Amino acid sequence: QLQLQESGSGLVKPSQTLSLTCAVSGGSISSGGYSWSWIRQPPGKGLEWIGYIYHSGSTYYNPSLKSRVTISVDRSKNQFSLKLSSVTAADTAVYYCAGATGPWFDPWGQGTLVTVSS
Amino acid sequence: QSALTQPASVSGSPGQSITISCTGTSSDVGGYNYVSWYQQHPGKAPKLMIYEVSNRPSGVPDRFSGSKSGNTASLTISGLQAEDEADYYCSSYTSSSTWVFGGGTKLTVL
Repeated sequence: QLQLQESGSGLVKPSQTLSLTCAVSGGSISSGGYSWSWIRQPPGKGLEWIGYIYHSGSTYYNPSLKSRVTISVDRSKNQFSLKLSSVTAADTAVYYCAGATGPWFDPWGQGTLVTVSS
Repeated sequence: QSALTQPASVSGSPGQSITISCTGTSSDVGGYNYVSWYQQHPGKAPKLMIYEVSNRPSGVPDRFSGSKSGNTASLTISGLQAEDEADYYCSSYTSSSTWVFGGGTKLTVL
């Protein structure tokens, strides 16, 4: 059974780059048909899709974040990553990684809180 | 892209049925049968409840059902139980090859 686990810095200074990694276990990140997503949730607010990367390497990003987001895959480590540059307090959120074999998100990681503060 | 529109809150008594709507446009909900629904309990990660408008993943009770008409999708929970109290989010694929979520609906079981 596929399982995902986020890791990374929980505190980032304004204007710096947020970096998170999602480790995939129970399956290969290179499996055909899978896409790998990042989704975030500001405290007390709803879910916001950030972007995803296909097993082929193609990436798609939320237009509102596109200029600041990079999602990449490290097949040797069976993980994928998120980088969000020039962060502000508005980027404070719980960040989730999720996998998908179709047009849905499942499974999800447990989420990791990232706070942007000096 | 704009978030899909959901009611902020709904409520029902145990045993009753409730429906949560999710309204988008012809570029997302209305254009594809790629609507999914997620249940989120406080402090937990979202859980897939419905995919491709009306399909239930293994393990999801058949009390949960989904449908779509035009640009509006709906999640119906019948025979409400206390453990159904949670936040619910819809999501849809879009014509831009992106995804969009609804604002979320808080379900209260009275």
